[in-house]
Amino acid sequence: ETGVTQSPTHLIKTRGQQVTLRCSSQSGHNTVSWYQQALGQGPQFIFQYYREEENGRGNFPPRFSGLQFPNYSSELNVNALELDDSALYLCASSLRTGSSGANVLTFGAGSRLTVL
Amino acid sequence: AQRVTQPEKLLSVFKGAPVELKCNYSYSGSPELFWYVQYSRQRLQLLLRHISRESIKGFTADLNKGETSFHLKKPFAQEEDSAMYYCALSGLGNAGNMLTFGGGTRLMVKP
Repeated sequence: ETGVTQSPTHLIKTRGQQVTLRCSSQSGHNTVSWYQQALGQGPQFIFQYYREEENGRGNFPPRFSGLQFPNYSSELNVNALELDDSALYLCASSLRTGSSGANVLTFGAGSRLTVL
Repeated sequence: AQRVTQPEKLLSVFKGAPVELKCNYSYSGSPELFWYVQYSRQRLQLLLRHISRESIKGFTADLNKGETSFHLKKPFAQEEDSAMYYCALSGLGNAGNMLTFGGGTRLMVKP
């Protein structure tokens, strides 16, 4: 059984640029959630994907977008980067069965984004 | 709106002492509560969820709807319990609802 893998682990961008972060789900999981974790804070929910569709979104602007692929892997895209986007981005997968299980999360190690 | 508050950023106890990490929540519907833990140089992982009513690594947590709390307790702390602990909340039975995390409490267990 493989865990959640994220890439890249670290990256540096400048203001205004765009970034794509990638995530492979744990084997057998069908749901992917993305979180932003600023230094010293708890993770903040960005969105969740199930069956390749966005299935819940937190308080993030439209320049944060995502995709889920048929193999349940996922991408997080952030356009027009701002300094405040500097954070650890966590991907988590889960197995949703019916209306339960989606928030029993297996986390990846994260992608640390620095915006200069 | 849903909110999770962990009032202590840092909790320091001696080995063998009881531990209680506080978590209070605000949610208008039926909540589902979780505790996630991050040990040093490891990933964030699920410790326990209230509907399972389990004891994991000696930790228990009881949902108190009257006090809107979900405190994490252990009668005798061990050094290996030192970690960052996050309380989290979602709507029960609503698979697409967001999972809201508290700010976390760092537990340090001294020898």
